[in-house]
Amino acid sequence: NAGVMQNPRHLVRRRGQEARLRCSPMKGHSHVYWYRQLPEEGLKFMVYLQKENIIDESGMPKERFSAEFPKEGPSILRIQQVVRGDSAAYFCASSLGMNTEAFFGQGTRLTVV
Amino acid sequence: KNEVEQSPQNLTAQEGEFITINCSYSVGISALHWLQQHPGGGIVSLFMLSSGKKKHGRLIATINIQEKHSSLHITASHPRDSAVYICAVSGSSGDKLTFGTGTRLAVRP
Repeated sequence: NAGVMQNPRHLVRRRGQEARLRCSPMKGHSHVYWYRQLPEEGLKFMVYLQKENIIDESGMPKERFSAEFPKEGPSILRIQQVVRGDSAAYFCASSLGMNTEAFFGQGTRLTVV
Repeated sequence: KNEVEQSPQNLTAQEGEFITINCSYSVGISALHWLQQHPGGGIVSLFMLSSGKKKHGRLIATINIQEKHSSLHITASHPRDSAVYICAVSGSSGDKLTFGTGTRLAVRP
């Protein structure tokens, strides 16, 4: 039973380009969370999704960031027109439901040059 | 004031020592999580607890709901325990996690 899979592990983008981060939850998990870890800072919540629905996006920047979790396929975190301040580690976690243990992926380390 | 506070921020120990990391929170929670992160690595869930005490190998986690406090203990510490240990809470609705800033542990041989 594979764990939470994130790809790519490392992503380098030039300023102004788009970044697409993928997360495949554990088998059977329908709840996906995205968190961001800025350099030398703690983890911060971004968005919580269930299949085809955004449940809570209170942690998402208002512009350039979007997330989806389609009926088929992985969850995608999309960052348009990246800036240097977007450089961070982005972690995905999945769970069976609320109040259940969350399992984390290895993260995607985004570097904007 | 952060909703989740950890102490100490940094901790250095000699191999074999007993280690305690503390976590205090100020909000109502449905559960508290202890996580481990190695440098440049992923995040591993160590414990999820809402009351009492849990033990896994050399790791022990306790929580006192009335005092809003949890501790993570490592017995017979080993250099491979060197990592950042993160306390996180899931709110009353039981969904997203709010994290402490982590405790960086270094265990010297």
